Amino acid sequence: EAQVTQNPRYLITVTGKKLTVTCSQNMNHEYMSWYRQDPGLGLRQIYYSMNVEVTDKGDVPEGYKVSRKEKRNFPLILESPSPNQTSLYFCASSLTGTGGSNSPLHFGNGTRLTVT
Amino acid sequence: GEDVEQSLFLSVREGDSSVINCTYTDSSSTYLYWYKQEPGAGLQLLTYIFSNMDMKQDQRLTVLLNKKDKHLSLRIADTQTGDSAIYFCAERETGFQKLVFGTGTRLLVSP
Repeated sequence: EAQVTQNPRYLITVTGKKLTVTCSQNMNHEYMSWYRQDPGLGLRQIYYSMNVEVTDKGDVPEGYKVSRKEKRNFPLILESPSPNQTSLYFCASSLTGTGGSNSPLHFGNGTRLTVT
Repeated sequence: GEDVEQSLFLSVREGDSSVINCTYTDSSSTYLYWYKQEPGAGLQLLTYIFSNMDMKQDQRLTVLLNKKDKHLSLRIADTQTGDSAIYFCAERETGFQKLVFGTGTRLLVSP
């Protein structure tokens, strides 16, 4: 089954303790992206990657890192989490970039992160 | 940056039509999308419209695009309780490899 898999689904951590949220897709997609969803703000892009070893900042990259060593994986790293990073995080992928009828975004089921 | 706005909440009765509205600012958007988010799940692409179209119909869904007013709407005919979800409007930002999402409209369908 074609899918984007994020882990964990839920995570509670304390300020300053490094964490990684994993994301994997099995569709051989070139493009991958991370979003955070906050009430009243919709989805905001954190980072995206056009292909292996190519990553770029989105709208809200501060406090986050990503890597794209393999095509299928795109982990999100919080080196020193803070309470304002409490949010619902989504990983997404598409065949080539975004948009177009043949390249829609496929989303994972989300990771709810709480930083105390 | 570009902005996409939606009303936050819509409540309808089962069997009625629902109309979810969206306004955007990027007049050179190429594609506009509607995504659906069910509880505990990610977003799923519902439908999209290319910017040179005024209307697109797909079964119970009708998308209307008014480029002059930068207004997009999604009409769901014969709304069912299973349509209860959050609906996001999104535009492809010209020249950038990303989608800009609206704040989402929570649709509640009551029996």
